[in-house]
Amino acid sequence: ETAVFQTPNYHVTQVGNEVSFNCKQTLGHDTMYWYKQDSKKLLKIMFSYNNKQLIVNETVPRRFSPQSSDKAHLNLRIKSVEPEDSAVYLCASSPLGYEQYFGPGTRLTVL
Amino acid sequence: GDQVEQSPSALSLHEGTGSALRCNFTTTMRAVQWFRKNSRGSLINLFYLASGTKENGRLKSAFDSKERYSTLHIRDAQLEDSGTYFCAAELDTNAYKVIFGKGTHLHVLP
Repeated sequence: ETAVFQTPNYHVTQVGNEVSFNCKQTLGHDTMYWYKQDSKKLLKIMFSYNNKQLIVNETVPRRFSPQSSDKAHLNLRIKSVEPEDSAVYLCASSPLGYEQYFGPGTRLTVL
Repeated sequence: GDQVEQSPSALSLHEGTGSALRCNFTTTMRAVQWFRKNSRGSLINLFYLASGTKENGRLKSAFDSKERYSTLHIRDAQLEDSGTYFCAAELDTNAYKVIFGKGTHLHVLP
């Protein structure tokens, strides 16, 4: 049963546009994450949030900014997308020190 | 270099046989999680271990933090086990930082 929800499922846009992806978890977890899965299918962590506090920011470009209104939501905004931003973006949540649960991902294509 | 080295990158098994996937770590990890990517591309939790072993059906996983490795054993492989398997490890120095292996593409043959 899905408990980590991501919208949209996919998004196609042009270079220079702004996009925003949403993530919501209904598990009551304190920690949420954003990952980027590149063309080689490797997942790399971008951000971790614990109770709305940014914990990890893995040297991602400044055009990426996570946004959290409460511990159940962690959105990702990309200002002025570039071609290399094309990827699948995965959201996850966990209680700290326990297993992560992943959403289905948002596939971004930048033309 | 990579902190999580997953092997093999690809594996073919005949139905009914078994094998093991492995992740070696170049630094101390506090926990490891194993996933399988399903046909829709979603990551399905298989195991989460902070130590020792866990078993679930035909799958068994082990994690040794001191020796810096984790394994996932599959026995009596079935066609539906085909897919991509990932390990993901939490750094001992920062539980919020999770590093994924590059995945193992498993193909179960009839």
